[in-house]
Amino acid sequence: DTAVSQTPKYLVTQMGNDKSIKCEQNLGHDTMYWYKQDSKKFLKIMFSYNNKELIINETVPNRFSPKSPDKAHLNLHINSLELGDSAVYFCASSHGQYSNQPQHFGDGTRLSIL
Amino acid sequence: SQQGEEDPQALSIQEGENATMNCSYKTSINNLQWYRQNSGRGLVHLILIRSNEREKHSGRLRVTLDTSKKSSSLLITASRAADTASYFCATDAQGAQKLVFGQGTRLTINP
Repeated sequence: DTAVSQTPKYLVTQMGNDKSIKCEQNLGHDTMYWYKQDSKKFLKIMFSYNNKELIINETVPNRFSPKSPDKAHLNLHINSLELGDSAVYFCASSHGQYSNQPQHFGDGTRLSIL
Repeated sequence: SQQGEEDPQALSIQEGENATMNCSYKTSINNLQWYRQNSGRGLVHLILIRSNEREKHSGRLRVTLDTSKKSSSLLITASRAADTASYFCATDAQGAQKLVFGQGTRLTINP
C-alpha cells in the first residue's frame, strides 16, 4: 500500500551512461514532482507536472528529461550522466499544483556515478 | 536563491527534553510547511501553517509563525528516540507553485 514508490532504490553507474528512474503514486493526486537532494541535504525542485503537463522546469540541464504518461506516473530519464549528478532523487505528489497542499514523498533513488 | 534557512544546523538533546528548531525566510509567503526526514527515507509532512495563522498544534508538535520577523519555529515536546531525524521547513512565494526547502536541522535524541 505504498503511496509514492520509486524504482530503483539504488543506481550505480558509469559516467556517460543513460539511466531512468520511475515513480508511481496511488494517492489519486494530480501533481507530481522531481527533487534532487545533494550531499549537504539541500533539497531542490527540478520539475513538476500537473495532469501530465509540465508546469515547473527549474533550469535543469537538457540531459534530464521527465515524462508523465498519466497523472499517476512521472519518470525521469538522464542522458550522459556526469559526476555531479550523484545525489538522491525524490519523487513527490500532491493534490493541486499550488503550494498550499502537503507533498507526499517517495523514499528516494540514490544515484552514484563512478 | 534559498528561501528558508533552519537554525541550528544540528541539535542533540536527551530523551524527554523539548527540542526547538527555527526557520527564517526572505520573502512574503502564503504558507509554511514543516517536514521530517528519517535517515534513508523520504520527507514526511508534519504541519502546514498559513500566513494568517500564528500557532498550530499536532500532538507533541507546536509550530509558530511570525510573519513580521519572517520566521517560524517547530517545538517538539517530550522528545523520544524515534524523533531523531532531519527537520525541514518549506516556504512558497506568493503565487508560487513550488516549495523551497531549507537545508534542515539534524535532531538527535539521546536515550
